Amino acid sequence: DVKVTQSSRYLVKRTGEKVFLECVQDMDHENMFWYRQDPGLGLRLIYFSYDVKMKEKGDIPEGYSVSREKKERFSLILESASTNQTSMYLCASSLSAAGGPQYFGPGTRLTVT
Amino acid sequence: SQKIEQNSEALNIQEGKTATLTCNYTNYSPAYLQWYRQDPGRGPVFLLLIRENEKEKRKERLKVTFDTTLKQSLFHITASQPADSATYLCARNSGAGSYQLTFGKGTKLSVIP
Repeated sequence: DVKVTQSSRYLVKRTGEKVFLECVQDMDHENMFWYRQDPGLGLRLIYFSYDVKMKEKGDIPEGYSVSREKKERFSLILESASTNQTSMYLCASSLSAAGGPQYFGPGTRLTVT
Repeated sequence: SQKIEQNSEALNIQEGKTATLTCNYTNYSPAYLQWYRQDPGRGPVFLLLIRENEKEKRKERLKVTFDTTLKQSLFHITASQPADSATYLCARNSGAGSYQLTFGKGTKLSVIP
């Protein structure tokens, strides 16, 4: 089975802090994704990466950056956390073929106070 | 942009009945549609994928249809059980040959004993 793990289930940070969310997958998938999920807004794509050191902006990249130094690891960085970044963050991975299913991690519930 | 809509936010159904969830899309027909299950506080779990040239796909008690004329996919759970209670998300590829998915906001299914 594909396993996607995220570094924290719950995280509380203060406004202005730099926040790192880590995601690791163990199935040698080329593609990795970061989403946020908010009530009434559904899943929204922040960034994705289709190869090591490659990244592309999703629908809502403002206030975020990403890093992919190794194939199995994809990090989401909040440069200066703000209260409107309080959300559930979900990481996913998929094989390179277009149309393949995505496999999600358990999520990180981030609260910025 | 490619939109995907799940018209019902919530659906209540009696145990043993067939649950039918609807997903509608706009613009051009996606190459494939996917369905996911999400439990509260957890990441989505991939269930089924149906391609544009497939009318129907089955997996145990689950059935998915794809109607390109109506621009619609239906997701059926037969002989529903309380354990089927969850939010179900549909997703389409975001563009031709794209790795990205666009998700609907989900339908929360409650199966009443």
